[in-house]
Amino acid sequence: DAGVTQSPTHLIKTRGQQVTLRCSPKSGHDTVSWYQQALGQGPQFIFQYYEEEERQRGNFPDRFSGHQFPNYSSELNVNALLLGDSALYLCASSWAGVGYGYTFGSGTRLTVV
Amino acid sequence: RKEVEQDPGPFNVPEGATVAFNCTYSNSASQSFFWYRQDCRKEPKLLMSVYSSGNEDGRFTAQLNRASQYISLLIRDSKLSDSATYLCVVLGFGNEKLTFGTGTRLTIIP
Repeated sequence: DAGVTQSPTHLIKTRGQQVTLRCSPKSGHDTVSWYQQALGQGPQFIFQYYEEEERQRGNFPDRFSGHQFPNYSSELNVNALLLGDSALYLCASSWAGVGYGYTFGSGTRLTVV
Repeated sequence: RKEVEQDPGPFNVPEGATVAFNCTYSNSASQSFFWYRQDCRKEPKLLMSVYSSGNEDGRFTAQLNRASQYISLLIRDSKLSDSATYLCVVLGFGNEKLTFGTGTRLTIIP
């Protein structure tokens, strides 16, 4: 049973560029959440997608946007990259209505230079 | 005030020692509580859920005090393999958002 799959694993981008990160949830899960983890910090909630809609959003600017597809997979897009966007981006899947059972992917490490 | 606060450490303790981590949360409406473990450059993994009645899993004991909004984790007879960052995590009431503390870095010394 495949867990949460994220791609790519590592990425280097230049300031001002745009990036798209991808996530495939664990089988049976229909909800995808995205987190940003800066070095030395805990993960910070970006947003959550359920039924192809953004259900909740954390304190992140509009440069951060996302999408969920009918197969429950999700993308995180970041526009106009800043050096401060360098972080580990984690995707977590879960089943709607259940507060437990979150599964995290291994993350995408984004470096902005 | 941060929603979830924990001592960032680092904690450097000898093998076999007992170590305790503490965490406080600000939202009294929070409904569920967890400890996650994160190894260097890896994703967080659920260590255990935390209940008011206290729960134990082998060498690990977690406790929740709702009145004080305080969560604890105790590791007994620590092993080298326990070296990691331990994250205190809270799930809000009525939402699916996990709120993480900064994490406490633990290094077990041989």
